[in-house]
Amino acid sequence: GQSLEQPSEVTAVEGAIVQINCTYQTSGFYGLSWYQQHDGGAPTFLSYNALDGLEETGRFSSFLSRSDSYGYLLLQELQMKDSASYFCAVRSRRDDKIIFGKGTRLHILP
Amino acid sequence: NAGVTQTPKFQVLKTGQSMTLQCAQDMNHNSMYWYRQDPGMGLRLIYYSASEGTTDKGEVPNGYNVSRLNKREFSLRLESAAPSQTSVYFCASSEVGTPNTEAFFGQGTRLTVV
Repeated sequence: GQSLEQPSEVTAVEGAIVQINCTYQTSGFYGLSWYQQHDGGAPTFLSYNALDGLEETGRFSSFLSRSDSYGYLLLQELQMKDSASYFCAVRSRRDDKIIFGKGTRLHILP
Repeated sequence: NAGVTQTPKFQVLKTGQSMTLQCAQDMNHNSMYWYRQDPGMGLRLIYYSASEGTTDKGEVPNGYNVSRLNKREFSLRLESAAPSQTSVYFCASSEVGTPNTEAFFGQGTRLTVV
């Protein structure tokens, strides 16, 4: 089956940089995606890596290494509004299922 | 531009009652999904539909049924609610077969079974 592993919680200081890792045991997927979810809200799409390497979108970057079955989300210049849960996800080429990791809760200290 | 709309937003059921959660999307997406979210468990796939007229089980389908009524609508039914089904339910939609896997989520239904 498919599974994605993430740390359950990460804490960082406002203005700093934090990396959230995701390791997966799956194959036959399009790429690795990241979603953000604030308390009480719905998940929203952040980024997608189709190929190995780094993708940058403003303060957020995401990385994928298929050979290592590993990816990460990098958040720079942390702001209090970045306090949220972050999920990695993959989409199966075979049956179009989208499977999520259990999420990483990011705590930001002032 | 409504995106994905779920109804109701909140619901309290008694054990054994039935109900249907409604979901509709206006983005002409082929794929639709139902997830449940419990503390510490992330988003777990209940059922999904890759196209109108097809449905498939996800990771946690027991106790649920779905209907893909048309391309826009995908409903989730609890035939006999149990306290273990207390959760937040999210519907999502996405375009099938494209490399970008972005899924669009509804605002969720917060269900409590007592």
